[in-house]
Amino acid sequence: AQSVAQPEDQVNVAEGNPLTVKCTYSVSGNPYLFWYVQYPNRGLQFLLKYITGDNLVKGSYGFEAEFNKSQTSFHLKKPSALVSDSALYFCAAMGGLGPGGSYIPTFGRGTSLIVHP
Amino acid sequence: SAVISQKPSRDICQRGTSLTIQCQVDSQVTMMFWYRQQPGQSLTLIATANQGSEATYESGFVIDKFPISRPNLTFSTLTVSNMSPEDSSIYLCSVDGGQSTDTQYFGPGTRLTVL
Repeated sequence: AQSVAQPEDQVNVAEGNPLTVKCTYSVSGNPYLFWYVQYPNRGLQFLLKYITGDNLVKGSYGFEAEFNKSQTSFHLKKPSALVSDSALYFCAAMGGLGPGGSYIPTFGRGTSLIVHP
Repeated sequence: SAVISQKPSRDICQRGTSLTIQCQVDSQVTMMFWYRQQPGQSLTLIATANQGSEATYESGFVIDKFPISRPNLTFSTLTVSNMSPEDSSIYLCSVDGGQSTDTQYFGPGTRLTVL
């Protein structure tokens, strides 16, 4: 069975400082990994994904994530945080195709990122 | 990417009643998904809806409680039946981008409160 762990319920960081939101996963086979962001009263928005290739993946809004196979991790990072980055971040993972060829990932519990001015 | 809308955006309902949530996509998609996001918890997949066939429900979810319709390739509904306060959640509609994109796109969600 697939599983995703986000060990931190909340991450606090000062504006301008680097941020990291942690994610570890367990899937069968080669992982497909995703990060989504959810702003208050909004649906989830896709940030970035890792399928294959470079371990460092760049996504929207200056975010990036590093795939580490040996540690089964896919931490989300940003060099300089903005107050507007404050939101709920979800990591998701899957190890193969779902029924009918669709992709059904497992989501982590989410990490609330709070960026202080 | 797909643009997804949901109606209603929020509702407050009485125990024992039912609510139908609509999901509209701006393009034809094969698979549509319904998730539940309970307060402080992750997304839980309720069911997968294919056009023209019965929805496939995940463990812990049954058709009598969460009937789903999928009349065409751009629309689906989820009904939350005989509601109780434990059904208070955000309900999210999602579609996949097809085999060429491997990414899911989400609607804005329906925030349901059951009194």
